[in-house]
Amino acid sequence: LAKTTQPVSMDSYEGQEVNITCSHNNIATNDYITWYQQFPSQGPRFIIQGYKTKVTNEVASLFIPADRKSSTLSLPRVSLSDTAVYYCLVGKAAGNKLTFGGGTRVLVKP
Amino acid sequence: EPEVTQTPSHQVTQMGQEVILRCVPISNHLYFYWYRQILGQKVEFLVSFYNNEISEKSEIFDDQFSVERPDGSNFTLKIRSTKLEDSAMYFCASTLIGGASSYEQYFGPGTRLTVT
Repeated sequence: LAKTTQPVSMDSYEGQEVNITCSHNNIATNDYITWYQQFPSQGPRFIIQGYKTKVTNEVASLFIPADRKSSTLSLPRVSLSDTAVYYCLVGKAAGNKLTFGGGTRVLVKP
Repeated sequence: EPEVTQTPSHQVTQMGQEVILRCVPISNHLYFYWYRQILGQKVEFLVSFYNNEISEKSEIFDDQFSVERPDGSNFTLKIRSTKLEDSAMYFCASTLIGGASSYEQYFGPGTRLTVT
């Protein structure tokens, strides 16, 4: 299982773009990169998943460089309600269990 | 939008008592999971369940824990004799298929278990 490293916390302001970078130097060829969001006292929620290059959905963008040793989750124009913990997960496509690290606690200020 | 539901939202029990946590996964999903999160700590995998049997379990999931899908809709986690250290938020999750999609799991709101 590839180990991931991401910042413990980040502060931002409403309307700004937030970029969270995750390092995964030991990523394997068939590993996918997935990001989850967790609000206090709630279950984690899937945000986005990618394998290489760039993926975008209505919530976020995921940038993955060619070497795949890192990835960046980009949250455009954050609001106060985006205050949450964001987890980067790396694992095999056929894997079942999710292995969560400590995540990045993002605080959006007014 | 379909969602995973869990009951109760909060369960208080005494040490040594049995508890059953209930989950209703999304109706057409085939893979089911239990995770737990001790206050202030990481979300930890407990067990995965597919085709009416456990497919993987963690070291936490010892003989005190069991899972069951008693009918076509419910998925339960039983703790036979609770300990103080079982106090945590327990999350149920489900997913439709394995493969790449298995990393997109749908989580319930959780049951907060307090053991006194």
